[in-house]
Amino acid sequence: GAVVSQHPSRVICKSGTSVKIECRSLDFQATTMFWYRQFPKKSLMLMATSNEGSKATYEQGVEKDKFLINHASLTLSTLTVTSAHPEDSSFYICSARDPLRGDKPNEQFFGPGTRLTVL
Amino acid sequence: DAKTTQPNSMESNEEEPVHLPCNHSTISGTDYIHWYRQLPSQGPEYVIHGLTSNVNNRMASLAIAEDRKSSTLILHRATLRDAAVYYCILRGLNSGGSNYKLTFGKGTLLTVNP
Repeated sequence: GAVVSQHPSRVICKSGTSVKIECRSLDFQATTMFWYRQFPKKSLMLMATSNEGSKATYEQGVEKDKFLINHASLTLSTLTVTSAHPEDSSFYICSARDPLRGDKPNEQFFGPGTRLTVL
Repeated sequence: DAKTTQPNSMESNEEEPVHLPCNHSTISGTDYIHWYRQLPSQGPEYVIHGLTSNVNNRMASLAIAEDRKSSTLILHRATLRDAAVYYCILRGLNSGGSNYKLTFGKGTLLTVNP
């Protein structure tokens, strides 16, 4: 149980285009999902907290107009990188909480990540 | 969030125990100690967590110092599949309340030798 998927796993796009990344909780409902970014050989940096049915909460320094987050259902959150540039190339990872899980109600279950390359 | 300090890297031999240390001298009374690991090109994976008492699960054991200022993740018999970056994280509440965000440090890169 507690499986999180991401789509696509890898994407290459041209500079100036927008890219949408999906994060799905496959066997549970996630009221809260988190989006992270990880540059090569660096640690994960939290970008934003996505709450179902409300606006995302962005971390300091993260441009909300550039990284659009939508959490329209209890099993899906999307991150759209708008007008992507080469410096946005990174590994984007989402995670989700299953608040109803008896043994791990506060744990985060991570997706496999999406590698974005902007040419 | 309270900060943790871990060695940058450690090496182990296959089928030997591994003790991964973590210092968290500024931990507050309500902070849980979490360990996650990340295999290459994958998302992190939950390993174990605890508050005050030592914890065991099928993956590892967590030994927490009596003053809670340090903890040790114990892999009882390392395998090649345990080679990963191990993150020790203190989980608290964010300013919004109950979202329980995680702040990742640099972690410890564990190399397992055959």
